Amino acid sequence: GDSVTQMEGPVTLSEEACLTINCTYTATGYPSLFWYVQYPGEGLQLLLKATKADDKGSNKGFEATYRKETTSFHLEKGSVQVSDSAVYFCALRSTSYDKVIFGPGTSLSVIP
Amino acid sequence: NAGVTQTPKFQVLKTGQSMTLQCAQDMNHEYMSWYRQDPGMGLRLIHYSVGAGITDQGEVPNGYNVSRSTTEDFPLRLLSAAPSQTSVYFCASSLGPTNTEAFFGQGTRLTVV
Repeated sequence: GDSVTQMEGPVTLSEEACLTINCTYTATGYPSLFWYVQYPGEGLQLLLKATKADDKGSNKGFEATYRKETTSFHLEKGSVQVSDSAVYFCALRSTSYDKVIFGPGTSLSVIP
Repeated sequence: NAGVTQTPKFQVLKTGQSMTLQCAQDMNHEYMSWYRQDPGMGLRLIHYSVGAGITDQGEVPNGYNVSRSTTEDFPLRLLSAAPSQTSVYFCASSLGPTNTEAFFGQGTRLTVV
């Protein structure tokens, strides 16, 4: 079945460091890919998305590119801030199923 | 805009008790889902619905029931609570399939003692 794999956390970075959170997926067809962010005590909210191969999603300085050849959707940011501390979830929406499949989440802590 | 509203925010149950977690959305979304979030497990799909009158099971449906009598509401029922159901529960809705994003409620933190 469809699945999403993310790098294990927690990840701790200093402010202004570069961030990469790896995400790979297994799916039939051409799924849509998402990154969601969960701030402490809150629900998930969409960070960015890409709906077809080679699309780049971007928001709040974060970027991710849909790479079908490597089945990946890695999240990147050039300079993280303390306010970026959160849990990040990679997810896919399969063309086969009417549901969203989430990865396990990666916790990010940014220290001043 | 209310979006997705979940109630209650916190709940403590005794083993064997039943209760209903409420979820309502005001965006006229067809698709609604319930997830549970546990440490190290990410979000796991419990049940989902693609429209009023239609529900289906997700990954971890045992011990839970759902119904979808209206487009707006998608309650989750715990029939006989067990400590293994201690978790944070999230309801989500989306406009349709494939490339549409899911909107999440704030979550319900449930403890079963």
